[in-house]
Amino acid sequence: GQQVMQIPQYQHVQEGEDFTTYCNSSTTLSNIQWYKQRPGGHPVFLIQLVKSGEVKKQKRLTFQFGEAKKNSSLHITATQTTDVGTYFCAAPQGGSEKLVFGKGTKLTVNP
Amino acid sequence: DAGVIQSPRHEVTEMGQEVTLRCKPISGHNSLFWYRQTMMRGLELLIYFNNNVPIDDSGMPEDRFSAKMPNASFSTLKIQPSEPRDSAVYFCASSIGGAFTDTQYFGPGTRLTVL
Repeated sequence: GQQVMQIPQYQHVQEGEDFTTYCNSSTTLSNIQWYKQRPGGHPVFLIQLVKSGEVKKQKRLTFQFGEAKKNSSLHITATQTTDVGTYFCAAPQGGSEKLVFGKGTKLTVNP
Repeated sequence: DAGVIQSPRHEVTEMGQEVTLRCKPISGHNSLFWYRQTMMRGLELLIYFNNNVPIDDSGMPEDRFSAKMPNASFSTLKIQPSEPRDSAVYFCASSIGGAFTDTQYFGPGTRLTVL
């Protein structure tokens, strides 16, 4: 079925390094959402992108939605240990437009 | 607001037993979602209610799984009989509206282990 592909699956960085996760779809998306799940925690909504080419920033986090609305990225500048967790993209897909989550990118940060 | 409340937080049971997971959505939210999270399959939507009515249950694995929402403040997910492959973290989430464009607020989850 339709799915949202997310890469990489894992990313280990040194504190202070940048981090990027990518989300790709074979179909055009109406919108894309990003969530963060801390170890042992639950997914927490970060942001939603709707417009083609949209870029949104939250402090050190930059979210982009591709011009064709088929891909998206989350970039973290100068990672901190508090950024540790799994980052998921999610998009409504299929006839029912139910939210489909990517497999997530697990970020670990070495202090 | 207390957020989405789930109980129990942990459940350990033996194969063949009935398991009931409970969820209280955020007050005023009209949509409720049940998800299952495993390492292999990630986060999967099981069923979605809008105004207490099941809208999409295509993600429910099989007849052993059932979900109800008798009122706007309570939902249950039941597994009967449970099997070891049902071991996972089950999340309940709620949102204000009925569209998947609305922000979903997740509960803390129930970690289910079936021995």
